[in-house]
Amino acid sequence: EIVMTQSPATLSVSPGERATLSCRASQSISGNLAWYQQKPGQAPRLLIYGASTRATGIPARFSGSGSGTDFTLTISSLQSEDFAVYYCQQYDNWPPFTFGQGTKLEIK
Amino acid sequence: QLQLQESGPGLVKPSETLSLTCTVSGGSNSRSTNYWGWIRQPPRKGLEWIGSISYSGITYYNPSLKGRVTISVDKSKKQFSLKLSSVTAADTAVYYCTQHGGRFDYWGQGTLVTVSS
Repeated sequence: EIVMTQSPATLSVSPGERATLSCRASQSISGNLAWYQQKPGQAPRLLIYGASTRATGIPARFSGSGSGTDFTLTISSLQSEDFAVYYCQQYDNWPPFTFGQGTKLEIK
Repeated sequence: QLQLQESGPGLVKPSETLSLTCTVSGGSNSRSTNYWGWIRQPPRKGLEWIGSISYSGITYYNPSLKGRVTISVDKSKKQFSLKLSSVTAADTAVYYCTQHGGRFDYWGQGTLVTVSS
């Protein structure tokens, strides 16, 4: 099973600033990585797939990068609606699909 | 736009079987989302993939659930189902149904299932 590790667990950033979230896989997953945003009481929403492709309707301030084992989600200028929990997920080698434990992005 | 809706009991007794159904409406099946699956999230915790079934009926399960899971599909009703046997309090979670490829494109709103006597 591929273990996904996200860091940090909590990230405090001010609105308008840049946020950088990290995700590391226990073995190479090529570019088969997705990012999700989850707000309280809601289902996760797909943001990024293929490590760097934005899903339909996702604003350009969200960008993903990386390949192999190390990946990054960057939010270039934080809006109030961006404060949420973010998860990465690998789909290179399954079953099982595996998720990181999440990074909570909170207002500083 | 594709929509998914979970339904089923919100309370299950320990040692019994949890049963949920997901009804799919709208949209159309595409090659990029040719699996139906279930994901759960215990309170205040992260996401765990439970299992999926392909459009051709092949099932895939998370080994961590040790053979307690069965997923089936009824294409005529546009529904797929989850059964999780021998539940314990550790199975208390929000259960999401999904339609997906490798990435999870479409999600239901989720349904909370509590395991308690």
